[in-house]
This record gives sequence, structure tokens and C-alpha cells, in this order.
Amino acid sequence: DIQLTQSPSFLSASVGDRVTITCRASQDISSYLAWYQQTPGKAPKLLIYAAFILQSGVPSRFSGSGSGTEFTLTISSLQPEDFATYYCQQLSSYTYTFGQGTKLEIK
Amino acid sequence: QVQLVQSGAEVKKPGSSVKVSCKASGGTFNNYAINWVRQAPGQGLEWMGGIIPIFNTPKNAQKFQGRVTITADESTTTAYMELSSLRSEDTAVYYCARVVVVVVGANHQYYFDDWGQGTLVTVSS
Repeated sequence: DIQLTQSPSFLSASVGDRVTITCRASQDISSYLAWYQQTPGKAPKLLIYAAFILQSGVPSRFSGSGSGTEFTLTISSLQPEDFATYYCQQLSSYTYTFGQGTKLEIK
Repeated sequence: QVQLVQSGAEVKKPGSSVKVSCKASGGTFNNYAINWVRQAPGQGLEWMGGIIPIFNTPKNAQKFQGRVTITADESTTTAYMELSSLRSEDTAVYYCARVVVVVVGANHQYYFDDWGQGTLVTVSS
């Protein structure tokens, strides 16, 4: 199975900061990558699919980039509601594995 | 908008089985590709398996081969996930989610949209 490794696992930042989360795949997954945000007790929410396409209704401060084996999620100016856990997911070769998650905390 | 409503919390003994349901409303059920994801307490998301869109064939994660059975009843627009030989490590919230297929350029792209509310399964003697 394809493995995804996110870094960092924990990130402490302040409101207004720009943050970047990286997701590395164990093999080439082209652009078959999605990003989700999850808050405690809730189901994940889709932010980005196809590596860089912003889901409808998601604020433009979120952006994604990358292809092949390395991908990034960037939040340009953190808002209070952005403190959550973020997961990448690969949807290549008909398996849909997730990264281990990045918990974004308020500094 | 598709809505997915899951069955309620379960408490099971080790070695037994659990069957979680996911009722869909809105859209056309036979176009759904329902997949299952679990999350152990304080842990990350783990894909278990589900229906591969376009092909409408089932696929399970290697880890759950032989232990998970995913089915669907079109007449009631309900998908099911049954996990057998339960152990304490299977204690988790189980989510169903719909895989959406879109065309981007010359390719199909996929993502999970429309999640159920989650079902807590506790395995304890």
C-alpha cells in the first residue's frame, strides 16, 4: 500500500501566521491527493482535491500544491477557526490511505 | 446534497462482530461509492475499504482483508460495514463517506465528500 508521511506532526502558530504542512508519498501518486480539516468530535471536512483545487466554500487563504510524491498545504493567514488537525489522503490506485495528521495548535 | 446517517453506538465483546449502517438520502444511490474510515481514540484516520467509483467494485485495505465485509442495499439506500473477530484495538469511531468523481483535464479525480456523523464502537470484555 502507498504510505503518506506528513510533517510536522504538531505545529504551534499564532493568528495571522502563514503555515505550511508537507505530505510525502511513498510512490508517485500524480495529483491524486486531497486535504481535510478535522475538529474534535466532527467528521473531516474536505479542503482541497486534485492536489490544488479548492473545494467550494473553502476560504481562499487555503492553498495546495505539488505532484508526484511531495505536496504542501498552506494557510496564508491563520484564523482562530483554523486550529484543527489536518490530514492528507491519496486516492491513487484505488486505495485511499491517509497521512498520520498534523495538529495545528495556538501558540 | 447527499446526507449520510449512521446507526448508533455499539458495545461488543472481543471475538464478536459488529455491523454499522449508513443510510443515504438525496442523489441516486446506485451512483454512490460509499467507503468506510475509522478513527481510534486520539488517533488519525484509517481507510478500511469501500466501493471503488466508476467500476462499482469493492476494495478493502490490506490490513482488514478477511475481517471486513462491505455491502449495500439499494432498496433501502443503505450501506453496511461488518467487522468480525473484534479486539480491543478495534475500539474507534467508524465513519462512512461518499467518494465523488470529477473530471479534471483529461483525468478523473476523486475525493471524499458527505460524511456520516460517525458511530462509536467499543470493544470490551
